[in-house]
Amino acid sequence: NAGVTQTPKFQVLKTGQSMTLQCAQDMNHEYMSWYRQDPGMGLRLIHYSVGAGITDQGEVPNGYNVSRSTTEDFPLRLLSAAPSQTSVYFCASSYGANTEAFFGQGTRLTVV
Amino acid sequence: QQPVQSPQAVILREGEDAVINCSSSKALYSVHWYRQKHGEAPVFLMILLKGGEQKGHDKISASFNEKKQQSSLYLTASQLSYSGTYFCGTEIDYGQNFVFGPGTRLSVLP
Repeated sequence: NAGVTQTPKFQVLKTGQSMTLQCAQDMNHEYMSWYRQDPGMGLRLIHYSVGAGITDQGEVPNGYNVSRSTTEDFPLRLLSAAPSQTSVYFCASSYGANTEAFFGQGTRLTVV
Repeated sequence: QQPVQSPQAVILREGEDAVINCSSSKALYSVHWYRQKHGEAPVFLMILLKGGEQKGHDKISASFNEKKQQSSLYLTASQLSYSGTYFCGTEIDYGQNFVFGPGTRLSVLP
């Protein structure tokens, strides 16, 4: 099993560009989440989904969009990249609430 | 609201013990613990639920004091492989408002 796969691993964007970070899981998990990790801030929740067709905002949703058309995929869209969005992004999935979350290997995004 | 973790960082010699604390200003339903090694993804350690028992995993165990809204992670006879950043995550209700703490960096030296 591949687990949680994130692409790309690294990305450099110019301010104002848009892009989509991809996340796919093959464990048939209902819960999927996106986090950003900045030094000294821990992991902050951007958006999450409790099943296909259902998404909700986390702590820091501004500037990001998500959709969940299938159980497997949960892409994160940056609408107009800003330097403040420079971060490491992690996607995670779990069977349900209060179960082990499996994280992807992360995407290191730099916005210049 | 983000839970508070203490200490921020700790350095140990192999074989020594450590305790990492996680506290919240709100009543908690569950506490989750993860470890992240440098440049890698976080890895699950354990979940403690309200009304549940203390958990253990090899020489790593944790407790959850619901009244004090605190959890502690105990690392016994630490090994080099225990080095990394430990995060607690807290929920105030089932599936609600899950928030990670800022992390505690643990370094185990030979």
